[in-house]
This record gives sequence, structure tokens and C-alpha cells, in this order.
Amino acid sequence: EDKVVQSPLSLVVHEGDTVTLNCSYEVTNFRSLLWYKQEKKAPTFLFMLTSSGIEKKSGRLSSILDKKELSSILNITATQTGDSAIYLCAGSNAGGTSYGKLTFGQGTILTVHP
Amino acid sequence: NAGVTQTPKFRILKIGQSMTLQCTQDMNHNYMYWYRQDPGMGLKLIYYSVGAGITDKGEVPNGYNVSRSTTEDFPLRLELAAPSQTSVYFCASSYFSGGAGEQFFGPGTRLTVL
Repeated sequence: EDKVVQSPLSLVVHEGDTVTLNCSYEVTNFRSLLWYKQEKKAPTFLFMLTSSGIEKKSGRLSSILDKKELSSILNITATQTGDSAIYLCAGSNAGGTSYGKLTFGQGTILTVHP
Repeated sequence: NAGVTQTPKFRILKIGQSMTLQCTQDMNHNYMYWYRQDPGMGLKLIYYSVGAGITDKGEVPNGYNVSRSTTEDFPLRLELAAPSQTSVYFCASSYFSGGAGEQFFGPGTRLTVL
């Protein structure tokens, strides 16, 4: 059974801090690792990582995949109160009858105080 | 494009009642998914579909049924509602290329079973 684990489960920081969120995965026929941000409603897409060691960046957010360690990190620099959300990572299975399935971790709840 | 739409937004059911959660996407995506999210938890896959007429079970299919008669629509049926089905339900769709792809989520349906 595919499994994705995130840590920490929750994190409280102050504006301006830098945070690192962790995601480890055990996904058969692994194809990609995705990060989503969930505020009050539906998850919104942040990054999709398929190649190990290549950092993806979007503003103050960046992410990298380590296929050898079966893990990924999401970094947020100079945090703002608007970064407060649940951050979800998910592993994509690209094999056989599980083609296209995402297995989600339990999420990291990030709270940024002013 | 409206993206992924879900109806209703909220619903309260009595134990033993049945209902259908509607999901429609206008992006011509092949893949569609139903997830449930319990408080403080990640997303659990209920059912998914790789195209019209083809569906398969996810992690937590018991108590639910789906059908996919068209590319656009993927309704989720709850038979004999139970309090354990109280959750937020998200529908998502994706177009896969090479076994990986971003999933686009609908706004969710908050269901309470009393």
C-alpha cells in the first residue's frame, strides 16, 4: 500500500521566519511528487517534481525531490501571514491499475503570526 | 472555463438516507477522482475514473458508488448514510501525460450525517 508521511504535523512561526516542510513517500511505480496549499477550501497546486535534485521555485516558495531518500522538502522564506495554511504533499503512482492515483500525506498545518 | 464544479456545497443527512454528490469538469480531462477529508487529516481517495465507463476503487470505497457515463460528469452516490461519512468531499480532475499530472480540485461538499 502506498504511503506518504509529512512532518511536522503543525508549525507556528512569526512573520519573516523561514520554514522547511518535509515529505517522505513509499509509492510503487512512483512518477512524481506534488505539493498543494489548502486554505479554507480546495487544495491549490504549488509544484510537481519528477526529477531528483532539481529545485523548483515560485516566489518565496521552493521545493526539491530526493529520489534516493524517497523524500521532498518545501521551503518558504520570509513567511507572511498569508502563508498560513495546510500544506499537502502527494505521491503519484504511474503503474498498472493504479495509474494516475495520488496518495496524500496528512498535511502540515502552518500558522504564521504577525 | 469553470474548472471543476461540485453541488451541493453543504448537506445534512439523516442516518440511512441516500444522496448523490455531483461533480462536473469542463477541461476535457480523462481522469477524475473523489476524495474525502476528515478534520485534521489529508485526503483519502474514494473512487477514481480513467475515462468514461471506467471506474476503480481507491483507499476508502465502502459505502459509496460511482459512475462515469460522460467525460464531464462523475457523480458520487452515498447509500445508507452513516455518521462515519461525515466529512468534506472533494472532486478532482486531471489530464495525464506520461503518468504524472496536476489534479484540479472542486470547491468541496461539506456533508454531515446525524
